[in-house]
Amino acid sequence: GAVVSQHPSWVICKSGTSVKIECRSLDFQATTMFWYRQFPKQSLMLMATSNEGSKATYEQGVEKDKFLINHASLTLSTLTVTSAHPEDSSFYICSATYPTSGTHEQYFGPGTRLTVT
Amino acid sequence: AQRVTQPEKLLSVFKGAPVELKCNYSYSGSPELFWYVQYSRQRLQLLLRHISRESIKGFTADLNKGETSFHLKKPFAQEEDSAMYYCALTGSNYKLTFGKGTLLTVNP
Repeated sequence: GAVVSQHPSWVICKSGTSVKIECRSLDFQATTMFWYRQFPKQSLMLMATSNEGSKATYEQGVEKDKFLINHASLTLSTLTVTSAHPEDSSFYICSATYPTSGTHEQYFGPGTRLTVT
Repeated sequence: AQRVTQPEKLLSVFKGAPVELKCNYSYSGSPELFWYVQYSRQRLQLLLRHISRESIKGFTADLNKGETSFHLKKPFAQEEDSAMYYCALTGSNYKLTFGKGTLLTVNP
């Protein structure tokens, strides 16, 4: 159980366009979802915390107008990279948790590789 | 502020040798500690959490509050253990703070 999927698994877009990445919890209701960014050979960096039905909380230094997060249902959160630029190219990973389970364990999606040309 | 330090970026051992991946943390309250593993071309997955006090794939980790450490150990490393290992911490806000990771290579 506790499977998280992401779509697409990879995407290439042109500079200036927007890209939407979906994160779904397949077999549980995720009250909280997280979005991370991972640069090559580096650790995961938390970008934002997304709670269903409320605005996302962004980490310091993350532009909320550039990285739009929507968590409209208990099984779906989306990250939209607006006006993408080459420096936005990265591996984006989401995770989901349901704190009522009694643990803070996060279940991770497989990630989405974004390349901006 | 919460912080996780993994001092070794790379660790290389031979098959059958003991392995210890170090992790130290900084947190003012009572943290929940995890070890996550990322095998080549696979998603990040949970290996251990301190509250479970379990052994997974032969790995164990003990939380030492006095030394603020949560080192990952395995007495006999296997080639399939080669992967990226991340120590992580979460507090009351459910946010995970990751260490920079240790790439473990187990040589035949």
